[in-house]
Amino acid sequence: QVQLVQSGAEVKKPGASVKVSCKASGYTFTSYYMHWVRQAPGQGLEWMGIINPSGGSTSYAQKFQGRVTMTRDTSTSTVYMELSSLRSEDTAVYYCARDGLAAWGQGTLVTVSS
Amino acid sequence: DVVMTQSPLSLPVTLGQPASISCRSSQSLVYSDGNTYLNWFQQRPGQSPRRLIYKVSNRDSGVPDRFSGSGSGTDFTLKISRVEAEDVGVYYCMQGTHWPPPKPITFGQGTRLEIK
Repeated sequence: QVQLVQSGAEVKKPGASVKVSCKASGYTFTSYYMHWVRQAPGQGLEWMGIINPSGGSTSYAQKFQGRVTMTRDTSTSTVYMELSSLRSEDTAVYYCARDGLAAWGQGTLVTVSS
Repeated sequence: DVVMTQSPLSLPVTLGQPASISCRSSQSLVYSDGNTYLNWFQQRPGQSPRRLIYKVSNRDSGVPDRFSGSGSGTDFTLKISRVEAEDVGVYYCMQGTHWPPPKPITFGQGTRLEIK
């Protein structure tokens, strides 16, 4: 069955960067795009962008342009989301979700605090 | 960006009674291919979101048939025919018609369903 397993929680200082991983299994990794969605504490869902694991092409929400980088490693079936210049408002749970958003990772809590 | 507006934002329901959530989009969600990319998600407390319904009315595998989706254009509805305790959580609609960037995929604010 499809499984998306994300890396563990992170605590970062303002201005730092964070890189979250999402390891896929149970399907052909390069056949499905991967989305990243975040959720601030007690808030709703916010779409960040998408990566094509096959060629590595990306599309980012305008809000995150210049601060987010999504990459993939086909040898390990893993996608990565790196967010830079972190601020307190970036404190959230970050999810990866396979194309169509039918399958989600367990989420990674990123806390930004001085 | 397409704005998705859900109502109500809080929904207290008695066990066994029906529930209905409305979702309205600021633009028509009919895509050029004729499909309408409107999905519904359930997020139980402490869990990741789970897709229930895709393209307005198609239930995902394993989703109980008490959940149904309907609507067209800009007005959509998620109905639960008889609410059970396991249905407690937050429900989100999402549009996937108006993207890719610079237009983002957008979600509704969420509707919190609780047992009365």
